[in-house]
Amino acid sequence: AQTVTQSQPEMSVQEAETVTLSCTYDTSESDYYLFWYKQPPSRQMILVIRQEAYKQQNATENRFSVNFQKAAKSFSLKISDSQLGDAAMYFCAYRSGYTGGFKTIFGAGTRLFVKA
Amino acid sequence: DGGITQSPKYLFRKEGQNVTLSCEQNLNHDAMYWYRQDPGQGLRLIYYSQIVNDFQKGDIAEGYSVSREKKESFPLTVTSAQKNPTAFYLCASSIRASGSSYEQYFGPGTRLTVT
Repeated sequence: AQTVTQSQPEMSVQEAETVTLSCTYDTSESDYYLFWYKQPPSRQMILVIRQEAYKQQNATENRFSVNFQKAAKSFSLKISDSQLGDAAMYFCAYRSGYTGGFKTIFGAGTRLFVKA
Repeated sequence: DGGITQSPKYLFRKEGQNVTLSCEQNLNHDAMYWYRQDPGQGLRLIYYSQIVNDFQKGDIAEGYSVSREKKESFPLTVTSAQKNPTAFYLCASSIRASGSSYEQYFGPGTRLTVT
């Protein structure tokens, strides 16, 4: 069975600085998708970024980028120029790419604090 | 605006009572999901549905029931058999259920408190 591990329950960053959130996963599959979701205090889950396992290039969305290391099964999220609005819970998630891969598996989350 | 609505935002019930949480989407998505979120834990899948009139159990289905009579609606009933029902419940949908990169879209959630 696949698992997703986020080893940092909490992280803190100074406004305008850069922070990296860690995520590791375990799978025997070769085709899968990885996601980072953000859950702000409103608790509305929002997709931040996604990565297809078959793509070698790391995904980037404005100030958010990932470091995808397939062999190491690592999928970290880098937030550049941190803003107060980035303060939230961040969840790493895995989804199988095979037919029948309906389930998205979530990590326990990392709470990010942003200091002004 | 397209999206997912969940109602109510907060729900209080007495122990022993069944309660139904509403989830409606107007995104024309085939697949819908129910998750439970507890402090310090990620989201855990309760039930999912890939198509109307079909649904499957997730990891923690005991004490819960669902129906999918319409594409837009996927209500969740928390029964008295659920031993620890107090939690935050999230409904989600996606274009398709399996083998795709499509992300899930989430509703705003319902906080259920049972005393």
